[in-house]
Amino acid sequence: AQKITQTQPGMFVQEKEAVTLDCTYDTSDQSYGLFWYKQPSSGEMIFLIYQGSYDEQNATEGRYSLNFQKARKSANLVISASQLGDSAMYFCAMREDTQDSNYQLIWGAGTKLIIKP
Amino acid sequence: EAQVTQNPRYLITVTGKKLTVTCSQNMNHEYMSWYRQDPGLGLRQIYYSMNVEVTDKGDVPEGYKVSRKEKRNFPLILESPSPNQTSLYFCASSLSRDRDWVAEAFFGQGTRLTVV
Repeated sequence: AQKITQTQPGMFVQEKEAVTLDCTYDTSDQSYGLFWYKQPSSGEMIFLIYQGSYDEQNATEGRYSLNFQKARKSANLVISASQLGDSAMYFCAMREDTQDSNYQLIWGAGTKLIIKP
Repeated sequence: EAQVTQNPRYLITVTGKKLTVTCSQNMNHEYMSWYRQDPGLGLRQIYYSMNVEVTDKGDVPEGYKVSRKEKRNFPLILESPSPNQTSLYFCASSLSRDRDWVAEAFFGQGTRLTVV
């Protein structure tokens, strides 16, 4: 079974609108972390935001916020007031905090976001 | 500036010719790892290292070697590259779990490797 599911392969959004990128995850661990990364066409991987499984408040970083719904196992990324520079691939990832997991990040397939002027 | 530096950024090589992709971080992080990114397969972990002289296999270690002789460096070695190792490679680093790490928040710029 997929551990990280991003159901939107691609999205078009008008500039200045808010956008929500979906991410659902599957784990039986109590302790885990959820991450969002941005990958522009140049290829680098840019960390955006992190949410720990025990964090009670949704994480926020500037225009990025993470809508964490633990019972539903979802961790959607919300970008407010989108900009042309937000056009990129966005990846959701999870780290299970157990030694068996190698502490590695498990990645979703990504969502290609295109911001229209 | 805190960063993870990979070299080279781009490399085209021939089958069987040994190569090394270097990775260096200046943040005194304990945990370092290598991923490869392939279309449709996402990012997959190749090897990781919890600290100096401590390395272990990830999900796709075949055909790769690593070493961790110093904390800052974690080179990826392809002893005999093959065309199926053509990929985009990322090195990443983070603080150890014992020090309340947050994320593998620091990635290198990526190395685009083509093996012909």
